[in-house]
Amino acid sequence: QSVLTQPPSVSGAPGQRVTISCTGSSSNIGAGYDIHWYQQLPGTAPKLLIYGYTNRPSGVPDRFSGSKSGTSASLAITGLQAEDEADYYCQSYDSSLRGSVFGGGTKLTVL
Amino acid sequence: EVQLVESGGGLVQPGGSLRLSCAASGFTFSNSWMHWVRQAPGKGLVWVSRINSDGTRTTYADSVKGRFTISRDNAKRTLYLQMNSLRDEDTAVYYCASAGIPYFDWTYDFWGQGMLVTVSS
Repeated sequence: QSVLTQPPSVSGAPGQRVTISCTGSSSNIGAGYDIHWYQQLPGTAPKLLIYGYTNRPSGVPDRFSGSKSGTSASLAITGLQAEDEADYYCQSYDSSLRGSVFGGGTKLTVL
Repeated sequence: EVQLVESGGGLVQPGGSLRLSCAASGFTFSNSWMHWVRQAPGKGLVWVSRINSDGTRTTYADSVKGRFTISRDNAKRTLYLQMNSLRDEDTAVYYCASAGIPYFDWTYDFWGQGMLVTVSS
């Protein structure tokens, strides 16, 4: 059971828009700690996609965007491409655990 | 180009020890907080430990506290994870990760390629 909750899977056709939710609690998102998103392509290390809810590192396409709403966050991917098929993880800091916490991961399938 | 290259993984028996290394290049290692994150086969990411830029402050997940020790040598640009009293459940790919974005100490901007540690008799 992960501290941050994500849907196990989402899917979409090429060109479509998909969103992945990340729900936390009063000791992480609700306490004001940032949410970050990572993309893990099959067999590779994770890659930072979004930090501080909405910021994209250099080189990340603007098809990827993040948002926050209360104790939840969302990652949106527009113009879905086959190369986006990967696992996506949200991550934050938890004040009760005094460490970093991840969501369980969401597998994106491009139909 | 930023590079983090892990080494030192392998097969170890339960109760045994192993030391992972992570060689850094392409960024100012001595200014960056560094972390270890692991991923059991087929499972999600789990944070393990972190160390501040000069090596004087460390933090651990409860699951490894008292068994694992994180350290660094800034002169050698290398991060370490000493793992003792290893258990079956420590089997995972271990990633070193840098937290180099200003004001985001818990954000992992670069990751190593990962190193498999297998604990089995």
